[in-house]
Amino acid sequence: KAGVTQTPRYLIKTRGQQVTLSCSPISGHRSVSWYQQTPGQGLQFLFEYFSETQRNKGNFPGRFSGRQFSNSRSEMNVSTLELGDSALYLCASSLEYQETQYFGPGTRLLVL
Amino acid sequence: SQKIEQNSEALNIQEGKTATLTCNYTNYSPAYLQWYRQDPGRGPVFLLLIRENEKEKRKERLKVTFDTTLKQSLFHITASQPADSATYLCALDTGRRALTFGSGTRLQVQP
Repeated sequence: KAGVTQTPRYLIKTRGQQVTLSCSPISGHRSVSWYQQTPGQGLQFLFEYFSETQRNKGNFPGRFSGRQFSNSRSEMNVSTLELGDSALYLCASSLEYQETQYFGPGTRLLVL
Repeated sequence: SQKIEQNSEALNIQEGKTATLTCNYTNYSPAYLQWYRQDPGRGPVFLLLIRENEKEKRKERLKVTFDTTLKQSLFHITASQPADSATYLCALDTGRRALTFGSGTRLQVQP
């Protein structure tokens, strides 16, 4: 099976812009979670989607949002970018929030 | 507050020795704990999961212990190799379908 794919892999934006990141889970996986990873804060949970519904959300401002499509693909959006949003954004999938999370390679976002 | 602590200092060991990494947590009662490996610029890769009623679990050269009284997990890599050099993350399920990760410990195995 193909693994979790994320696009784009690298992105440079300026403050105030918005960005949309995409994640395609492993075939058959219906749960998709998003994480932000920074050197200072480590890996932090953003939100989890299952069957197009957000089931859980971490402690991030409303500028961070996401959605899931009927084919389980997911997107996350960050509006009004800030310098502190520079990070590696990781997507992980699982069958139905099983314990093991399968991570994608991440999207490296740099905000200038 | 809830906290997961891993040794933030890098662990340097010689090839062939056993590496032992520690994960301590407070104010959690996790049903299970996981260990992941992460290489630079890549996503974490699942290694092992241990449940609260299990004391120890092994997979090839890897061994994990879980002491719910001490609120601690130890992760061992025996006969370490330079290819084992990476950052190792422990993660707890907080019961909200979300993994909470420790900050990770970087392991460097010297040939």
